[in-house]
Amino acid sequence: GENVGLHLPTLSVQEGDNSIINCAYSNSASDYFIWYKQESGKGPQFIIDIRSNMDKRQGQRVTVLLNKTVKHLSLQIAATQPGDSAVYFCAERGNQAGTALIFGKGTTLSVSS
Amino acid sequence: DTGVSQDPRHKITKRGQNVTFRCDPISEHNRLYWYRQTLGQGPEFLTYFQNEAQLEKSRLLSDRFSAERPKGSFSTLEIQRTEQGDSAMYLCASSPPLGEREKLFFGSGTQLSVL
Repeated sequence: GENVGLHLPTLSVQEGDNSIINCAYSNSASDYFIWYKQESGKGPQFIIDIRSNMDKRQGQRVTVLLNKTVKHLSLQIAATQPGDSAVYFCAERGNQAGTALIFGKGTTLSVSS
Repeated sequence: DTGVSQDPRHKITKRGQNVTFRCDPISEHNRLYWYRQTLGQGPEFLTYFQNEAQLEKSRLLSDRFSAERPKGSFSTLEIQRTEQGDSAMYLCASSPPLGEREKLFFGSGTQLSVL
């Protein structure tokens, strides 16, 4: 079935740097993508989403880029802070699961001061 | 309370026992989802309700698992004859009926440990 994966399981950055977290997806028919942040012991928290008719969307300190040609999604975090340390998941709306989101394995972001 | 609430937060049980978890979604949300998450993995979809109707079930949801949402508000997930492989975080999420229906709001989960 569809699988949403991430390129790197871990990413370490210095405070103040920009972070880029990547995600590759396999279902070319997916039309909605979303990034979640998950801190230890908590449920996933919404960060930003994007529909397939867009290639870029910006939020507060975060930007999501979508490249449908190569089926690639990225999350950019500007001026990374220690509070950004968490596991980040991308997810897509999978056809076989109706409106349910299909998640990848996640990237652990570690921010050092 | 403005978020998704799950109870209990932690559950320790012995293999073979039955367990039941409860989820209270955000009040105006008509869609409710159950996911399971094991250590180091992303959440895996289990089942989904729209109001009281269970519209989708994953193949991961074996016959030992049952979910209900009788009045279209809170939901329960029951696992019968628990196995050690059922140990995981069980996450509940809800989404609104209009607008951003795909955006799921998650609770903090119920951590199940089967001994």
